[in-house]
Amino acid sequence: DTEVTQTPKHLVMGMTNKKSLKCEQHMGHRAMYWYKQKAKKPPELMFVYSYEKLSINESVPSRFSPECPNSSLLNLHLHALQPEDSALYLCASSREGYRTTNEKLFFGSGTQLSVL
Amino acid sequence: GNSVTQMEGPVTLSEEAFLTINCTYTATGYPSLFWYVQYPGEGLQLLLKATKADDKGSNKGFEATYRKETTSFHLEKGSVQVSDSAVYFCALSDLGGTQGGSEKLVFGKGTKLTVNP
Repeated sequence: DTEVTQTPKHLVMGMTNKKSLKCEQHMGHRAMYWYKQKAKKPPELMFVYSYEKLSINESVPSRFSPECPNSSLLNLHLHALQPEDSALYLCASSREGYRTTNEKLFFGSGTQLSVL
Repeated sequence: GNSVTQMEGPVTLSEEAFLTINCTYTATGYPSLFWYVQYPGEGLQLLLKATKADDKGSNKGFEATYRKETTSFHLEKGSVQVSDSAVYFCALSDLGGTQGGSEKLVFGKGTKLTVNP
């Protein structure tokens, strides 16, 4: 299994809703990432978990809350989002912990989020 | 700080044409360099990488050479196919350097390639 699986593929939510994005990998990878990608832009790093601990938070608003229940799972909890948060949310993983420079990132297909 | 500059797109080519997508970088240390590809509706996939100067990364007919003297990592393919239509991202990852470097994977803005039959 060499995949990073993200669910759901599409999500539409109102500004008062609470929803969660899920990401799963069974490759034994030690680092997992959340990226946000707006249309026609490169991915922007949001969070990194390394060995199940939050290593990086790129000054993301608190309406985005990451969670890493175990080494295979990564969640992103969403609450009180704004329309400008609409984007493709990508999960990624890498074999070693975060401080390795030349590690390949494995990306999921993303969740396309629309906030109304 | 670290940054990546890619040629502006979009790029439109006919099948079997030669492809070059330029990428230059700025880094404080000794970065590793990557090309990622994103097909429509999908996440990114690593296409190739190079971890030190003069290394050549290659995959699926694509090549890129790490040129420290010109701080470049241009992507080339001798004969493109319709299936190569995608967005290509140049990226760097740098831990070292006198100023500490950056642990982040820094992406360029992406270049959209369309190959027509």
